[in-house]
Amino acid sequence: ILNVEQSPQSLHVQEGDSTNFTCSFPSSNFYALHWYRWETAKSPEALFVMTLNGDEKKKGRISATLNTKEGYSYLYIKGSQPEDSATYLCAPYPDSGGGADGLTFGKGTHLIIQP
Amino acid sequence: NAGVTQTPKFQVLKTGQSMTLQCAQDMNHEYMSWYRQDPGMGLRLIHYSVGAGITDQGEVPNGYNVSRSTTEDFPLRLLSAAPSQTSVYFCASSYGASGYEQYFGPGTRLTVT
Repeated sequence: ILNVEQSPQSLHVQEGDSTNFTCSFPSSNFYALHWYRWETAKSPEALFVMTLNGDEKKKGRISATLNTKEGYSYLYIKGSQPEDSATYLCAPYPDSGGGADGLTFGKGTHLIIQP
Repeated sequence: NAGVTQTPKFQVLKTGQSMTLQCAQDMNHEYMSWYRQDPGMGLRLIHYSVGAGITDQGEVPNGYNVSRSTTEDFPLRLLSAAPSQTSVYFCASSYGASGYEQYFGPGTRLTVT
């Protein structure tokens, strides 16, 4: 079982402000890092899947970076809007040497955007 | 495409009863998985499958069985329900195991009394 840490656990941000949060994971045997957005009463939806060290991905106002050598990823939200309120989950996928495995999710960062 | 569908949406069981949670996808995805969501614990992997006829255990497999006879379907069986299995269950599918985003179903809320 991988040790996946997300911080902070919760975050209150004023509408219009930018914010970021962190996902830490074991740097050994890394293969991929997933980010998901989970709105209340809905199902998780994929934001990014990242595999390369130094990778940076962007979707609208949301972007993510990846450092596989030190085992962390940052998620950034620029100009937060009320619809960004959700729990953001990260999940590393280990390199299982040609086999298969599953995602280990962090407990998430619960983001609340205050108008 | 319907995506990933799950039935039922809600279920109440008595301790000791058995039941099957259904999951189906119409995207021709090889990889399917089951998670449970509990307060303070996040999503935890129960079982997964990399293709028809192939299944494996995740983090919390005890008390659950799975089979994958077709690419489309991945049912989760509770053999003898216990109150500790009260949870929300999510099924997910993806094109492959690792570098592909997972698509989640709407979830099944199970209460065991």
